[in-house]
Amino acid sequence: GAGVSQSPSNKVTEKGKDVELRCDPISGHTALYWYRQRLGQGLEFLIYFQGNSAPDKSGLPSDRFSAERTGESVSTLTIQRTQQEDSAVYLCAVRGSSNSYNEQFFGPGTRLTVL
Amino acid sequence: QKEVEQNSGPLSVPEGAIASLNCTYSDRVSQSFFWYRQYSGKSPELIMSIYSNGDKEDGRFTAQLNKASQYVSLLIRDSQPSDSATYLCAVNNQAGTALIFGKGTTLSVSS
Repeated sequence: GAGVSQSPSNKVTEKGKDVELRCDPISGHTALYWYRQRLGQGLEFLIYFQGNSAPDKSGLPSDRFSAERTGESVSTLTIQRTQQEDSAVYLCAVRGSSNSYNEQFFGPGTRLTVL
Repeated sequence: QKEVEQNSGPLSVPEGAIASLNCTYSDRVSQSFFWYRQYSGKSPELIMSIYSNGDKEDGRFTAQLNKASQYVSLLIRDSQPSDSATYLCAVNNQAGTALIFGKGTTLSVSS
């Protein structure tokens, strides 16, 4: 596989609650991405981390969304005050080797359902 | 808004036939192009990447890129029922920090 695990695999929450999703890549992946996939839709870019550089947050849909990553370790995506439209599969990806021209490899995803 | 367009399908082909999947993109500066396969309930799996005009072959898969026409395609030869999935086309964004995905084409291969 891609060497990326995500937890939890499924999360059901009530509207208004905060949730935290986790992405755990094997070591050596400096570039890490979060995407969202709503039912029947393509993937939407959320945020990109590259080492210790400032992350590209341009895809975050609102200030309720935030993400953190320290170095090449675990990343967490936090959604505050969840809304029903946040229901989606949240996918974490890592870039392949340095010669891979932005080939990205996905983890299994977290399916978030907001009731 | 940079876009990647795909016919949603479903595209239905008989086993053993060639399946042809097409994708157009709006940003002329895109340099990297990818095809992902996604089975129902699973995450996307990279099957082909292409960066230069022309064809790139890998087993039963051939990716074709035409930057002048802003068009990329995926051919699957000798289609198998196990190829039945949604195929996502993706291109890099201008900053090279993310991929922009189409909504995918659903392929159904009947035995």
